[in-house]
Amino acid sequence: QSALTQPASVSGSPGQSVTIACNGSSHDVGSSDLVSWYQQHPGKAPKLIIYDVTKRPSGVSNRFSGSKSGDTASLTVSGLQAEDEADYHCCSYAGRTTWVFGGGTKLTVL
Amino acid sequence: QLQLQETGPGLVKPLESLSLTCTVSYDSISGSDYYWGWIRQSPGTGLEWIGSIYASGRTYYNPSLKSRVVISVDTFKNQFSLKVNSVAVTDTAVYYCARHWSPSKLWWAFDSWGRGALVTVAS
Repeated sequence: QSALTQPASVSGSPGQSVTIACNGSSHDVGSSDLVSWYQQHPGKAPKLIIYDVTKRPSGVSNRFSGSKSGDTASLTVSGLQAEDEADYHCCSYAGRTTWVFGGGTKLTVL
Repeated sequence: QLQLQETGPGLVKPLESLSLTCTVSYDSISGSDYYWGWIRQSPGTGLEWIGSIYASGRTYYNPSLKSRVVISVDTFKNQFSLKVNSVAVTDTAVYYCARHWSPSKLWWAFDSWGRGALVTVAS
C-alpha cells in the first residue's frame, strides 16, 4: 500500500482558481469512488471538505469542488481567499478494507 | 455536536509501547453504527491511516503497521484505544482519532476529528 502522490505546494492569487492533483493507482483511486479531501490549518485537526469524489458536507463552501479521472483525483478551489491558505490531504479506499492518504499539499494564497 | 478527545502520555521511550485513548462525547460508539479510526501525522508530513474499529471489536489495520498495532474498544466507557508496540523515533507524530465509515449509512469518510495528541518517542 503506497501513499497517494500530491504536489508539495501550489499557489494562487486571491480570486483565482487552483487545482490540486492526487495521483493513485488502479488499486485505489482508479477503482474507487470513495475519495475524500481534508483541509488542515496549522496546528489544527483536518476538516472534511469533499467526500465520495465530488460531494460537499453541509456548511462547506461551494468554492471547493472535486473530480476524478482515471487514477487521479483533483480538488479545485475557486475564487481563492486568504482563509483558504492551508494544507490539503486526499484519501482513498485502497481495497481489502484499507485506506490510504496522500502526502499533503500546502496551498499558499499570494 | 460530536466530540472526540485523545489522551495519553506525550513521551515514550524507544522499544516501549505507546498507548492512547479516544473518548467520544455526544454520540454512542455502540449505537451509532460507525467505525472509529486512528490516524497519525509525523512532523512535516502527510496523514497516515493506522486502523479502524467497530463497536463489536472488529478491526481493520494498515498493513504496514499491522504487526505492531492493536486497537480496542470499551463501549461502556464510550472509548476506543490505540496501542503501538516496540516504538521507534519514526513513530513520533500527532495521533488523531476520528469517526470513520458506516456501511449502513453509505458513509466512507472521516467526518469528525479529535484535536490530536503529540507523542514523542525519545530516550
